[in-house]
Amino acid sequence: KNEVEQSPQNLTAQEGEFITINCSYSVGISALHWLQQHPGGGIVSLFMLSSGKKKHGRLIATINIQEKHSSLHITASHPRDSAVYICAPDDYNTDKLIFGTGTRLQVFP
Amino acid sequence: DAGVIQSPRHEVTEMGQEVTLRCKPISGHNSLFWYRQTMMRGLELLIYFNNNVPIDDSGMPEDRFSAKMPNASFSTLKIQPSEPRDSAVYFCASSPRTFSLALNTEAFFGQGTRLTVV
Repeated sequence: KNEVEQSPQNLTAQEGEFITINCSYSVGISALHWLQQHPGGGIVSLFMLSSGKKKHGRLIATINIQEKHSSLHITASHPRDSAVYICAPDDYNTDKLIFGTGTRLQVFP
Repeated sequence: DAGVIQSPRHEVTEMGQEVTLRCKPISGHNSLFWYRQTMMRGLELLIYFNNNVPIDDSGMPEDRFSAKMPNASFSTLKIQPSEPRDSAVYFCASSPRTFSLALNTEAFFGQGTRLTVV
């Protein structure tokens, strides 16, 4: 049983579309991270949140602790948003990040 | 700050050889993490240090793997002897968080070292 499930696994979009990536987890968490991994391999931390909603430019992350669910939204998507997006809850008991398998996003012009 | 710096970026080595991966964390960060990423298993935590002390190495796959952090600005991950199944991307990350469940801060990742063992 996976402790972190992301959906969809793969996502293709046209430039300008609104994107939503979902993450469900089964463990108790102290926070949840959204990471972005570019085709070159580098990993960038986009958000860390423990409640509510955070916004950074065209990116919005929300979390519902009671439902153990988080979403990452991208407004007005752009080809440069093409990357793998990884959800990583911070397990409260172990204080370790648990990684989802990632969502591969491709945005076409 | 230049961020977390890993070297080398790419390493190709023959089976049986010793491999050493290096990491320089962001200055002032208390915690350092080594992760391995493969297609099959995704990202896995290998070991993490807090204030240069190894706190949890339960993710280290075998005795062939060892990690050290001799000071606050440098860490190594060594594989001896290397095997083809060790081929992966190895990431180092650092975080200002201390060993406390009450503090949640972001982790900053290096660019990774792509290791290929042939």
